[in-house]
Amino acid sequence: DVKVTQSSRYLVKRTGEKVFLECVQDMDHENMFWYRQDPGLGLRLIYFSYDVKMKEKGDIPEGYSVSREKKERFSLILESASTNQTSMYLCASSQIAETEAFFGQGTRLTVV
Amino acid sequence: QKEVEQDPGPLSVPEGAIVSLNCTYSNSAFQYFMWYRQYSRKGPELLMYTYSSGNKEDGRFTAQVDKSSKYISLFIRDSQPSDSATYLCAMVTGANSKLTFGKGITLSVRP
Repeated sequence: DVKVTQSSRYLVKRTGEKVFLECVQDMDHENMFWYRQDPGLGLRLIYFSYDVKMKEKGDIPEGYSVSREKKERFSLILESASTNQTSMYLCASSQIAETEAFFGQGTRLTVV
Repeated sequence: QKEVEQDPGPLSVPEGAIVSLNCTYSNSAFQYFMWYRQYSRKGPELLMYTYSSGNKEDGRFTAQVDKSSKYISLFIRDSQPSDSATYLCAMVTGANSKLTFGKGITLSVRP
């Protein structure tokens, strides 16, 4: 089974902190994605990566950055956390030339 | 107009009911259509996938695509309490393009 693992299920951080969300997949997938999910807004793409050290902005990249130093790991960084970044964050991966994405369990981040 | 519109919820039905979940889209370049199911406090998982107009059946689930009307549906027959979840439609223009999701609809099936 494909497994996408997010490092934390729940996080509470203070405003202004630098926050790292980690995601690891074990199926050698080329593509990796970070989404946030909010009630009434659905899933919105923050960043995605098609290869190591490559990244592309999604629909809502402001306030976020990403890092992909190894194929299996994709990190989302909140440079200075703000309360409007309180959300559920979902990581996903997919095989190149495939459309099915596999999701992690999500990280519920609360910024206070 | 948003690229993908999904019927708002929540939706509550009795066990055994037939459920119809719908999405419309505006981008005629979308070629692949998916339905994801998300249980509470879990990540979404792929339920159905299709790339052509018509119906695709998998057990109690049927995915329907009408490209001429830019409309997709998911039908659930003999709904069960275990079907209670959030259902998200998703579509892509091609392989390696990003998924565009609907907002999701929360379904509750009452025993």
